[in-house]
Amino acid sequence: ETGVTQSPTHLIKTRGQQVTLRCSSQSGHNTVSWYQQALGQGPQFIFQYYREEENGRGNFPPRFSGLQFPNYSSELNVNALELDDSALYLCASSLDFQETQYFGPGTRLLVL
Amino acid sequence: DAKTTQPTSMDCAEGRAANLPCNHSTISGNEYVYWYRQIHSQGPQYIIHGLKNNETNEMASLIITEDRKSSTLILPHATLRDTAVYYCIGYTGTASKLTFGTGTRLQVTL
Repeated sequence: ETGVTQSPTHLIKTRGQQVTLRCSSQSGHNTVSWYQQALGQGPQFIFQYYREEENGRGNFPPRFSGLQFPNYSSELNVNALELDDSALYLCASSLDFQETQYFGPGTRLLVL
Repeated sequence: DAKTTQPTSMDCAEGRAANLPCNHSTISGNEYVYWYRQIHSQGPQYIIHGLKNNETNEMASLIITEDRKSSTLILPHATLRDTAVYYCIGYTGTASKLTFGTGTRLQVTL
């Protein structure tokens, strides 16, 4: 059984650009949650998608947006990148929105 | 979700049991206690969770006090590969999010 996968593993962008990060959920999981982890800090919740609908959002501006597809994979889009967006972006999938979340390896984004 | 308090860091000798405490005095009746760990620059790894009863799996044991105000994660025979940041989290599932604190940095030494 394949776990949660994320792509790309690393990414370098410049300020003002846009980025799309991708996440494939674990087989049978219908929920994907996204987190941002700045250096030296714990992960911070961005939002969650359950059966293709947003099901909760953390304290992040609207330039952070997402999608979940019918196969339950998901994308995180960040517009107008800022230097502070440099972080490890983690996605986690779960069987259902109340169930245990299993994390992928993350995408490390560097904004210059 | 409940606020949790953990020691900043702990050391453990390889082969000995590592006992990681967590205080969650404001935990509500329907909140589970979840433990994750994060090895440097990797995604958090789920370890174990429980509500009231003690739990054990192939990775660890979780001991929850009767009043549910604190818990202890036990790694029975720590190895160097257990060196990581360990997070204790109160989670109901209804709020969608896991709220990570600063965790405990466990250093396992020879």
